[in-house]
Amino acid sequence: AQSVSQHNHHVILSEAASLELGCNYSYGGTVNLFWYVQYPGQHLQLLLKYFSGDPLVKGIKGFEAEFIKSKFSFNLRKPSVQWSDTAEYFCATSRGGADGLTFGKGTHLIIQP
Amino acid sequence: GAGVSQTPSNKVTEKGKYVELRCDPISGHTALYWYRQSLGQGPEFLIYFQGTGAADDSGLPNDRFFAVRPEGSVSTLKIQRTERGDSAVYLCASSPSIGKDTEAFFGQGTRLTVV
Repeated sequence: AQSVSQHNHHVILSEAASLELGCNYSYGGTVNLFWYVQYPGQHLQLLLKYFSGDPLVKGIKGFEAEFIKSKFSFNLRKPSVQWSDTAEYFCATSRGGADGLTFGKGTHLIIQP
Repeated sequence: GAGVSQTPSNKVTEKGKYVELRCDPISGHTALYWYRQSLGQGPEFLIYFQGTGAADDSGLPNDRFFAVRPEGSVSTLKIQRTERGDSAVYLCASSPSIGKDTEAFFGQGTRLTVV
């Protein structure tokens, strides 16, 4: 069975700080990797995804993530956060095709102005 | 509509009652998923439909939970004899035709409270 581990449950940063949220997954086969964001009162939205190819993927709103196969990791980064990045961030995996997603527990990010 | 629509947005029910939660996927999406999100947790997979049939229902917690998608579009998640532990946000997602590397689009969820 797959599992996803997000290391930080709560992160507080000041505006303009750099961000890195950790994500590790357990499944050893081919995986698809995702980061979803949930802004207060809104639905889950896809930030970025990795299926294959270049392990450094760029998403919306200046976010990027790097797939490191040897470390089973897919960490999310942003060089300079904004107050509007305050949200819940979820890392997720799937085995490909149309399989359901396995989510981590999420990281609650608070950006202080 | 443009996105996945879930109704109702909130549902309060008494312990032991039966509830139905509805999901309207994005038009043309053949895959439909139900997830459950408890407080402080990530979404947990319940069931996945490809067209009208349940392709994977391994996430349903017990036989009180059942879901249908009779015409391959709208889906209903049904919970019998509700318990307080069923309180959660129930999320629906849809994705385009089967194939490698598809992406799921989520609705806003139904917040179910069992009192």
